[in-house]
Amino acid sequence: EAGVTQSPTHLIKTRGQQATLRCSPISGHTSVYWYQQALGLGLQFLLWYDEGEERNRGNFPPRFSGRQFPNYSSELNVNALELEDSALYLCASSLLRERGTDTQYFGPGTRLTVL
Amino acid sequence: KQEVTQIPAALSVPEGENLVLNCSFTDSAIYNLQWFRQDPGKGLTSLLLIQSSQREQTSGRLNASLDKSSGRSTLYIAASQPGDSATYLCALSGYALNFGKGTSLLVTP
Repeated sequence: EAGVTQSPTHLIKTRGQQATLRCSPISGHTSVYWYQQALGLGLQFLLWYDEGEERNRGNFPPRFSGRQFPNYSSELNVNALELEDSALYLCASSLLRERGTDTQYFGPGTRLTVL
Repeated sequence: KQEVTQIPAALSVPEGENLVLNCSFTDSAIYNLQWFRQDPGKGLTSLLLIQSSQREQTSGRLNASLDKSSGRSTLYIAASQPGDSATYLCALSGYALNFGKGTSLLVTP
């Protein structure tokens, strides 16, 4: 069974541009989570999507946004890129919490570099 | 707000040693606790998940315990190997995972 996939692997942008990151969850998983791992800051929760709806977001500005498609894949958009947005962006998927399991499975990540 | 602390931040041990990684948290109202491994520049690999009603989980050379009353979890690695070198992260489940900053482990041959 295929795991969580993310694309692209690496992305280089300049300050002020927009970046789009993509994630495909494990088949059957309806929840998708996005995390940011910036150097020295640890993993920070960004966004949670389930059944096409944004369920919660972390402490990030509105220029971080996303969506979940009917096939449960997800996109993370970062507008007006700043240098400090440079980080590894990780996507995870899980079955809906109420089904009794909450194990999150992570993709390999997208390395975003803002110049 | 849940605070997750991992001690030590870094650890270097010779091959074959048994070792313990520590994770402490401030809010015991959790769904579960997960331990992950992360290799440099890579994604996360789930090692063990302990539900809030459980006290420990074992997988091979790994054993994780959970004590909600004291706000602590430990990851025990038996007979460490160079291939165990990685960063180990604990994460607590609320509406999303709340991570510690990890323990960077180096096992030398």
